Order: sequence, then C-alpha cells, then structure tokens
Amino acid sequence: DIQMTQSPSSLSASVGDRVTITCRASQGISNYLAWYQQKPGKVPKLLIFATSTLQSGVPSRFSGSGSGTDFTLTISSLQPEDVATYYCQKYYSAPSTFGPGTKVDIK
Amino acid sequence: EVQLLESGGDMVQPGGSLRLSCAASGFSFSSYAMSWVRQAPGKGLEWVSGISSGGSTDYADSVKGRFTVSRDNSKDTLYLQMNSLRVDDTGVYYCAKGRHDYSYSNTDYWGQGTPVTVSS
Repeated sequence: DIQMTQSPSSLSASVGDRVTITCRASQGISNYLAWYQQKPGKVPKLLIFATSTLQSGVPSRFSGSGSGTDFTLTISSLQPEDVATYYCQKYYSAPSTFGPGTKVDIK
Repeated sequence: EVQLLESGGDMVQPGGSLRLSCAASGFSFSSYAMSWVRQAPGKGLEWVSGISSGGSTDYADSVKGRFTVSRDNSKDTLYLQMNSLRVDDTGVYYCAKGRHDYSYSNTDYWGQGTPVTVSS
C-alpha cells in the first residue's frame, strides 16, 4: 500500500506569515491528492482536491501544488482562524490513506 | 443542503459487534461513493472503508475481514457492520460523501461523527 508522510508534524508561525506544509507519497499518485483542515473539536473540512483545486468557499490564501510523490499546501498569509491540523489524503488507488497531520498554531 | 447523520456508536467489550448507520439527505445518495473515516482520541484521521454507488467496496488493512460496509440506496443510508472489535477500534467514526463514484474517493461532506468505545 502507498504510505503518506507529512512534514513538519507541527509548526508555530506569526499572523501574516507564509506557511508551507509538505506531503510525500511512497509511490507516485499523479495529482490524486486532497488536503483537509480540522479545527480543534470540529469535523474535518475539504480544502483542496486534485492537488491544487480549491473547494468552494475556501479562502484564496490557501493553495496547493505538486505531482507524483511530492505535494505542498501553502497558506500565503496565516490568519488566527487557520489554527488547525491539516491532513493530506491520497485517492489514487485503494485503500485511500491520510497523512499523519500537521498542527498549525499562532506564535 | 447536504446532511449526514451517523448513529449507532456505543461502548462495547472487546470481541463484540456494533452496526453504525449514516442517514444522508440533500444530494442524490445513489450517485456517489460513501466512506467511513475514524479518529482515535487525540490521533489523526484513518480511512476505514468506502463503497461505490453500485456496491464495490474497499477496506483499510486494519479492519479487513472484521468490518463490512454496505448501503441501501432506497433508504439513503450507509452502514458499517463492525465485528470482532478491538480496543484500538475506539474512536469517533465519521461518515463522508465521496466527490466521485469510486470507493476510495476523496470526500467533500462529513457528518458530525458517532463515538465508539471498545473497553472491558
């Protein structure tokens, strides 16, 4: 099965900072990569699918890039409401797999 | 408005069984794959199982042979039959709507989750 890793596992940044989270697949997954945001105590929310397509209603400060095995989620200007854990998910083949998550908070 | 309402979570002893349900509304249930995703206390998300609109299923290795996903398109309801439950099956179980119609699709709407506790 294809394994997913994320780095860093956590980060602390200031409001307005550019934040980058990396997700890596153990084998190529084309662009079948999604990102989810889970705020504390809340249900996960789809942010990005197909590597770089923003789900409706997601602020434009979020963006995604990559292909094959290496992918990136970028928050261009971190806001207080972005405090959350972010998960990548591959859906190239069964079984689907989530990355371990990256916890983002405000410095 | 898409709504997913899970039910059936409970406390059960190791080796026991539970059946979770997920009632869907606000979209054409019979046209989309559905998934179950779980989250152990303080841990990350784990994809558990998925089912296409036509009934094709897939499972995580951790639950294969113990869990069975099914759906009733006439009732707009998704199910997860969980047998031979283990302590490490404890967590919140979410029902989620697939963006596509294959069992391992990513998901765009999630329910609020139902808690499952496996403990003696």
